[in-house]
Amino acid sequence: EAGVAQSPRYKIIEKRQSVAFWCNPISGHATLYWYQQILGQGPKLLIQFQNNGVVDDSQLPKDRFSAERLKGVDSTLKIQPAKLEDSAVYLCASSKLAGNTDTQYFGPGTRLTVL
Amino acid sequence: AQKVTQAQTEISVVEKEDVTLDCVYETRDTTYYLFWYKQPPSGELVFLIRRNSFDEQNEISGRYSWNFQKSTSSFNFTITASQVVDSAVYFCVRGDSWGKLQFGAGTQVVVTP
Repeated sequence: EAGVAQSPRYKIIEKRQSVAFWCNPISGHATLYWYQQILGQGPKLLIQFQNNGVVDDSQLPKDRFSAERLKGVDSTLKIQPAKLEDSAVYLCASSKLAGNTDTQYFGPGTRLTVL
Repeated sequence: AQKVTQAQTEISVVEKEDVTLDCVYETRDTTYYLFWYKQPPSGELVFLIRRNSFDEQNEISGRYSWNFQKSTSSFNFTITASQVVDSAVYFCVRGDSWGKLQFGAGTQVVVTP
């Protein structure tokens, strides 16, 4: 079974530019998560989708971050405009079911550097 | 926020030694879930084990074992006979009934030949 796919793996941009990340979850997984992991810290949840609806986006900085999951499968996370403090690894995860803490499986992440 | 504390920042061992990682969590929930994830240098988070709050049975899975003590809110993890490939950051994670995960800060394990 294929795992969670993410692209690109690495991205370097200047501050105030925009960037987008893509995630393809494990086939059949209803729930998709985006996390931000700053160097030396544990991942922090940004947004949780169940199918194509948002379950929790309370930690998403909505003035600059946006995410969508059209058709309940793939998802994109966008940052516009980027700030220096957005430098981090962005991890996508998926789980089969929602609400009962079914195990989340993570992708390889996208490492973002903002200069 | 209900914290997960991993007091050990880094542990260094020689191959074949056992490694025990400590984890203490806070919770106000009756039902919750505990996990250990491994993050090797490649960056991908790899699921290792999961425990439900209503099941305190401790188990062994290959070289991995865990000790869940609800009375002390601890969920310690042991790697037996460590190998170089075990070198990674290990995260203790608490999950609630809505799928929200709270990660500890991680413990770096370094296994030298």
